[in-house]
This record gives sequence, C-alpha cells and structure tokens, in this order.
Amino acid sequence: EAAVTQSPRNKVAVTGGKVTLSCNQTNNHNNMYWYRQDTGHGLRLIHYSYGAGSTEKGDIPDGYKASRPSQENFSLILELATPSQTSVYFCASGADWGSAEQFFGPGTRLTVL
Amino acid sequence: GEQVEQLPSILRVQEGSSASINCSYEDSASNYFPWYKQEPGENPKLIIDIRSNMERKQIQELIVLLDKKAKRFSLHITDTQPGDSAMYFCASLTGANTGKLTFGHGTILRVHP
Repeated sequence: EAAVTQSPRNKVAVTGGKVTLSCNQTNNHNNMYWYRQDTGHGLRLIHYSYGAGSTEKGDIPDGYKASRPSQENFSLILELATPSQTSVYFCASGADWGSAEQFFGPGTRLTVL
Repeated sequence: GEQVEQLPSILRVQEGSSASINCSYEDSASNYFPWYKQEPGENPKLIIDIRSNMERKQIQELIVLLDKKAKRFSLHITDTQPGDSAMYFCASLTGANTGKLTFGHGTILRVHP
C-alpha cells in the first residue's frame, strides 16, 4: 500500500486560477517536501515542513504557498497560476532521525494554460 | 545555497559494460549523498547512499565512491542491463535536521542490447 499519495494526479488549470495540490503520507514522518521536476533542472525544492503547523521556503518558493495542517497532510497552493508553473510536482516524506531517505509520491502533472 | 553538479546529462552504454555518473558539491558540511533512480512515468526511488565516514559502498552491481577532499562522489553500475535504463539523480544533504536534499540535474542512462 502506497505510503505517500498525491491528488490530483493530473490537473489542467487556467492562468490566474487557484490550484491546490494535496499530499498524504502514512509513514509518520515529521519532514515533508514539495519538488517540481522540469527537463534540464532535475528536482527543485519549493517548500518543506518539519512538522504539523510548520512550513519553510525551499530553493524556488516564489509563486507558491504551502500548508501543513497535520502530520499526514502537506498541500502546495498556487494562488495565481501561471504557464511557467506547468510541471510535474512531487511530494516526499522523510524522517528527521536515522536514515535521510526520502519517499516520493507518484507525482502530479500540472498544465497551466 | 548548496549546488550539486551532475555529469553527464545523457549516457549511452552497451549491455554488459559499466556506466559511471559523476557529481560534485560545494558545501563541505554535507555528510550524506544518496542516489535515486527514476523510471519513465514513475517517482524517484533510493537505490544506494553513502555517508561521509565512508569512501566506498557497494550493493550488488552498484558502487558509490566519495572523495570528500575533492567534494566529488560517483555512481558506477557494473555489468549494465536494459533494466538499468532510467534517469539517475545524485543529491547531497544540506540540512541535518530537516533532511533537506539538493539534487543534481539528472543523468539519462540508456543501455543498448
């Protein structure tokens, strides 16, 4: 049973619209992450969280907000979507002790028209 | 912030030969270096990692080398098979408590029969 799930798996949005990407993990990990993957750029960190109620800016936070209402859930919010935010978005979870392995969700393909 | 350079971006090898991917990092405080494999349409998955107290680690056909003085690490896949064809990412750990990873841009490996 998948430990990190994302919804939706595919999303088409219009420029200027609001988009919310959701992530749920059952690993009981404190740390959660949002990445985007683009050809030529690899995986780039947008926001991360080290527990419920916390959000931290990653390397490319502009145009994105994040919300961590509980241990299990971490959302990425695009208040005013732009075509440049068309990408594949991955959520991941990781423990804050022991192994630093991150477990990725299946990804969300977002297209902003 | 931390930068991780990964080369080559594309690697084509013959089945049965070896494949090598090289990465370099900037932050001398980095102490954990994982490698992720991503099959087409799938999420990245950890395949091998090395900590800074080691110089070499092997899991079956995968070998990771770490040169802390030069701030370089590398992945070597011996006796490559078509199933090794995928995208490979190196990363370095830049935040011990948050588990914040900085990823390289990725290497597409194609193993030809």
